[in-house]
Formats: sequence, structure tokens, C-alpha cells
Amino acid sequence: DIQMTQSPSSLSASVGDRVTITCRASQSINSFLNWYQQKPGKAPNLLIYAASSLQSGVPSRFSGSGSGTDFTLAISSLQPEDFATYYCQQSYSTPYSFGQGTKLEIK
Amino acid sequence: EVQLVESGGGLVQPGGSLRLSCAASGFTFSIYWMNWVRQAPGKGLEWVANIKQDGSEKYYVDSVKGRFTISRDNAKSSLYLQMNSLRAEDTAVYYCARGDFWRGYGYYYYYMDVWGKGATVTVSS
Repeated sequence: DIQMTQSPSSLSASVGDRVTITCRASQSINSFLNWYQQKPGKAPNLLIYAASSLQSGVPSRFSGSGSGTDFTLAISSLQPEDFATYYCQQSYSTPYSFGQGTKLEIK
Repeated sequence: EVQLVESGGGLVQPGGSLRLSCAASGFTFSIYWMNWVRQAPGKGLEWVANIKQDGSEKYYVDSVKGRFTISRDNAKSSLYLQMNSLRAEDTAVYYCARGDFWRGYGYYYYYMDVWGKGATVTVSS
């Protein structure tokens, strides 16, 4: 099974900051990497699919990059509504594993 | 409006059974793969199982193989998860999620783009 490791596990930032979250796969997964945002008590929301494609309706301040084993989610200018937990997920092979999550908090 | 609504959650004793349902609306259910994803209290997301459009292919995470069964009824636009031999570690919010593909760079990239609000399953004596 493929293991997904995110870093950092938590992150404090201010409105307007640029932040990046990294995700590493235990083996090459090409670009089969998705990013989700989850707010407390809510279902996850798809942000990025295929490593770098922005889901419809997601603000352009979100971007994804990477291929193989190393991936990055970037948020260019943090807005108040972006404080949430972010998960990467590989869809290269079942079981479709998630990273452990990165909690983005207000500084 | 595209929507998924889970039902059937509740409190069950260890070793017991429960059946979750997910009702889909606003899209053509029969042309999509469907998934179950769970989240234990205070923990991260765990993909549980998925099923092909016609039910001919099903995949599970190892921890539920032999105990959980995913199924669907396209005529009713519904997805199900039959959970048997439940354990305390199965306690979680269970989400139903639609699977879709994007064709690019010679591959079909899979992602989950529509999620329900979740159903809570608690396994406790």
C-alpha cells in the first residue's frame, strides 16, 4: 500500500500570507494526487486534482504542483475562510490513501 | 442541485451490523464510480471502499475486507455499505463520495468531487 506523508502537521499564518504544504508518497504516483480542504464538522471539499488542475469554483489563489513522489499545495494570499485542515490523497492505486492532514491556523 | 445524503448511522454494539445508505440526486448516478470514506473522531480521512458504475468491480481497504460490503442500486440512485462484525475502531463519520475521472497526459486521473454530509457510526457496548 502507498503511504502519504504531509508536512507540516500544523501551520500558523496570517491573512495575506503565502503558505505551502507538502505531501510525499512512499512510491512514485505520477500525478495521481488530489488535495482536499475540510472545515470543522463539514465534509471535505475537492481543491486540486491530478496534482495541478484546479477544481471548478475553487479560487485561483490555490495551486498544486509536483509529480512522482513530491507534491505541493500553495495558497498565494490567505483569506479568513482558508483556515482549515488540508489533506492530500493518492488515486494511483487502491487503497486510495490520504495524508494525515495539515491544520492551518490563524496566527 | 447535485447532492448525496447518507443515512442509517447509529449506535451498535461490538460484533453487530449496520447498513448505511447514500441517496444521490441531481446527476446521473449510474455513470459514476462511488466511494465510502470515513473519519474517526479527531482523526484524518480514510478511504474505505469504492464500486464501479455497474457494480462489477469493488475495492476495499484491508481493515474492512471480509466485514464490509459495498453495493449500489442504480434504479434507485443509491449506494450502500453493509457493515458486519463491527469493532470499536470502526467508530467514525462515514462519507459517501462521487468518483470522477479527468483524462489528461494519456491517463485517467481519479478524484472525489461530490461528498455527502456524513453519517455517524458509533460502535460501543
